[in-house]
Amino acid sequence: DAGVIQSPRHEVTEMGQEVTLRCKPISGHNSLFWYRQTMMRGLELLIYFNNNVPIDDSGMPEDRFSAKMPNASFSTLKIQPSEPRDSAVYFCASSLQSIADTQYFGPGTRLTVL
Amino acid sequence: EDQVTQSPEALRLQEGESSSLNCSYTVSGLRGLFWYRQDPGKGPEFLFTLYSAGEEKEKERLKATLTKKESFLHITAPKPEDSATYLCAVQARSSASKIIFGSGTRLSIRP
Repeated sequence: DAGVIQSPRHEVTEMGQEVTLRCKPISGHNSLFWYRQTMMRGLELLIYFNNNVPIDDSGMPEDRFSAKMPNASFSTLKIQPSEPRDSAVYFCASSLQSIADTQYFGPGTRLTVL
Repeated sequence: EDQVTQSPEALRLQEGESSSLNCSYTVSGLRGLFWYRQDPGKGPEFLFTLYSAGEEKEKERLKATLTKKESFLHITAPKPEDSATYLCAVQARSSASKIIFGSGTRLSIRP
């Protein structure tokens, strides 16, 4: 299996622009997670999907952030408009059934907002 | 409020020098405690899950233990390839849809 696939691996954008991060979970996994990692705040769970349905989005920092999972093999995290403080590494992870199961992380997308 | 604290922030050891990393937690009923390893520029990689006090799990040079207030990751006779950041995370019964990560311990093993 290819593991969790994320794209792009690096994104540099200017403040105010829309940013879309993409994730393909491991085939057969029913749960998908988006995380953000920064030096100051560490690794934070943003949103958790189960069977394509958002279960908990309380970690989404602001209305500028939105996430979708239109089918079992694809999810997006969108930031509109982006701000410099959104600069971070964004990870997608998937697990077989739930948040309690082993999570497999993707390689991450390093986002820089100028 | 649920909290996870890891110590030390950084640890430098000589190859073969055993030590332990600490993860202290405050949660309203522990559902599970997880250990992950993260190499620079990569996503975290799962190591262990512990569910109840007294439980222990081992993998090669690593052993994880759990009490009611903390978990230890013991590393025995480490090698340079064990150098990484080790992350601890908890899932609480009170907020079953959340997982909280500690800030990690950056481990460096000198040959």
